[in-house]
Amino acid sequence: KNQVEQSPQSLIILEGKNCTLQCNYTVSPFSNLRWYKQDTGRGPVSLTIMTFSENTKSNGRYTATLDADTKQSSLHITASQLSDSASYICVVSGLTDSWGKFQFGAGTQVVVTP
Amino acid sequence: ETGVTQSPTHLIKTRGQQVTLRCSSQSGHNTVSWYQQALGQGPQFIFQYYREEENGRGNFPPRFSGLQFPNYSSELNVNALELDDSALYLCASSLAGTSGGRETQYFGPGTRLLVL
Repeated sequence: KNQVEQSPQSLIILEGKNCTLQCNYTVSPFSNLRWYKQDTGRGPVSLTIMTFSENTKSNGRYTATLDADTKQSSLHITASQLSDSASYICVVSGLTDSWGKFQFGAGTQVVVTP
Repeated sequence: ETGVTQSPTHLIKTRGQQVTLRCSSQSGHNTVSWYQQALGQGPQFIFQYYREEENGRGNFPPRFSGLQFPNYSSELNVNALELDDSALYLCASSLAGTSGGRETQYFGPGTRLLVL
C-alpha cells in the first residue's frame, strides 16, 4: 500500500480561481515533506520543503501546510494561471530512510481553463 | 532549466535487450538518484549514488544497476528488459550534507523508455 495518498486525482479549475490539494501519509517516523510541480514530459520541480516543526511554507502563489500530528498536508494555489496546469506531487521522507529514498504520491493532475 | 540533463530523450527496445541511460548532474552536485515513473503514477526510487558509491536502493531487482563517475555523472543500466520496464526514467541531483536532509533535488527531463 502506498504510504502517500493524494486527492483529488484530478481537478479542473477556472483561471483566477483558488484550489487546494490534499496529501495524507503514513510514513513514520517522519522527516520532511515536499511538494513538486511536474509539467507534462518534464521532470518534477521543487515547490516547498517542510520538516515536522514547520506548519506552513509559501512559494509565490503556492502555500503548503503541514499537520504532522494528523499526517496531513495541503497545497493551496491562489489566483490560478494557465501555467499552473501540471501534476502536483507530494513526497515524504522518513527519518530512517536513506536520503533520496522518498515516498512519492501519485500526484494530482490540475487543469486550469481560460 | 535545472542544469540536469539526460540522454537519450526517448528509446524503444525489445524484451530481453539491455539499455543504458545517462544523466549529467548539475555542476557541484555529488549525489544522483534514479527514479522510475510509470504513466499516471508518482516516481519510484530505484537507487542513489553518493560520491561514486551506491547509497540506498529501492525495491528493484539486481538487473537494475548503476554507476556514478568521478565527474558525478551517472548511468542506469537495465538488463533483460521486460514489458513492465516501459516508463519515464528520471534522475535527480543534489548536494548532500548541506541542509540537514532538506537538500533540494533537481530533476532532469527524463528518458522515456518503451519496451516492445
